[in-house]
Amino acid sequence: NAGVTQTPKFRVLKTGQSMTLLCAQDMNHEYMYWYRQDPGMGLRLIHYSVGEGTTAKGEVPDGYNVSRLKKQNFLLGLESAAPSQTSVYFCASQLLEVSGWSYNEQFFGPGTRLTVL
Amino acid sequence: AQTVTQSQPEMSVQEAETVTLSCTYDTSESDYYLFWYKQPPSRQMILVIRQEAYKQQNATENRFSVNFQKAAKSFSLKISDSQLGDAAMYFCAYRSADSNYQLIWGAGTKLIIKP
Repeated sequence: NAGVTQTPKFRVLKTGQSMTLLCAQDMNHEYMYWYRQDPGMGLRLIHYSVGEGTTAKGEVPDGYNVSRLKKQNFLLGLESAAPSQTSVYFCASQLLEVSGWSYNEQFFGPGTRLTVL
Repeated sequence: AQTVTQSQPEMSVQEAETVTLSCTYDTSESDYYLFWYKQPPSRQMILVIRQEAYKQQNATENRFSVNFQKAAKSFSLKISDSQLGDAAMYFCAYRSADSNYQLIWGAGTKLIIKP
């Protein structure tokens, strides 16, 4: 049981280049999330998905696109990278709650450090 | 909108002693959950402890406990018998009971353990 994995772990891009970050989870979780973490700030939600084929915008969605074609995978795309997107990106997943008082934990991947020059 | 504030950018404690990390939050909701996550140098985010707002009893997990003051909107983390492995960034997070499970995060507190 690998939990949540992210590919790649590190990446350097030039301004204007594109790339896709892959998140995979093997826990059969319905919910998946993409966050970014910048120095001196907490995690900020970029996009999230509540199930296969569905996505929604989070707090900072501009410049990013996502897709959830398979339940276990959640892809984050940068179409035209900018230096402001230099950050550490975290993927997380969570089990669907089955009661109103549930508080299921979000499980995190190890992160991807992205530098845009 | 909800906000989470961690006013201590950095804290240090002697090994084996006790340290308390502060967290305050702002919300108009009555039903919500609060979490403390640990992020060691490996970057892996790990859940330390969680608290449901409707519970008056403070959560405890081994050496970790919280002081939840709902009226004051305060959620501090106490680490007893600090160990070198506790050195990490600690993040406080808030989740509304009906938020699509989105977490609102504080900026974090860096905890240093002195041997």
